[in-house]
Amino acid sequence: DQQVKQNSPSLSVQEGRISILNCDYTNSMFDYFLWYKKYPAEGPTFLISISSIKDKNEDGRFTVFLNKSAKHLSLHIVPSQPGDSAVYFCAASANNNDMRFGAGTRLTVKP
Amino acid sequence: DAGITQSPRHKVTETGTPVTLRCHQTENHRYMYWYRQDPGHGLRLIHYSYGVKDTDKGEVSDGYSVSRSKTEDFLLTLESATSSQTSVYFCAITRTSADYNEQFFGPGTRLTVL
Repeated sequence: DQQVKQNSPSLSVQEGRISILNCDYTNSMFDYFLWYKKYPAEGPTFLISISSIKDKNEDGRFTVFLNKSAKHLSLHIVPSQPGDSAVYFCAASANNNDMRFGAGTRLTVKP
Repeated sequence: DAGITQSPRHKVTETGTPVTLRCHQTENHRYMYWYRQDPGHGLRLIHYSYGVKDTDKGEVSDGYSVSRSKTEDFLLTLESATSSQTSVYFCAITRTSADYNEQFFGPGTRLTVL
């Protein structure tokens, strides 16, 4: 029962271009959504989040968009940099103690 | 850096042996979590704690137990390890900001059960 899905296991983009990572969810009770970035042999690091009362949250090069009617969120990285190459996890929760994660998307930014 | 350490960082053990993983935090956070990360599954919650001696089950708790006798330490025990428990285990804490509660993760423990 995977309530959060990242259907693209990998994504490759050119440096300077936009990276768009997508995430779909099935549980309409989710009200808080997050993106984490993970480098090899390290723990996931928090990147950006959005509450269900908003449809957009921006932090520097990173923007998260939420479409509640479609149960879809996306992470935009503009411009992409080689240091952004990592695995990105989408997560969602209906309360603070039951966070569900997607399987992750491996982003490769080519110089 | 949320002041989270995990020990050991790597462990190889045999099927049927008990294993205990330790998570230590230095910032006095109330909530602590144990996750496992497996290919194709992302991170899945095993158990969490909301205070000393207060714990609850997560999504994949079978075969695992936890204990929290001090605020700073959260232990995950595999009573009798199985090969299906080969995974990378992450501890996390919740840090409350003005608007959101965000989880921050430790560096992970890679466990191999032969």
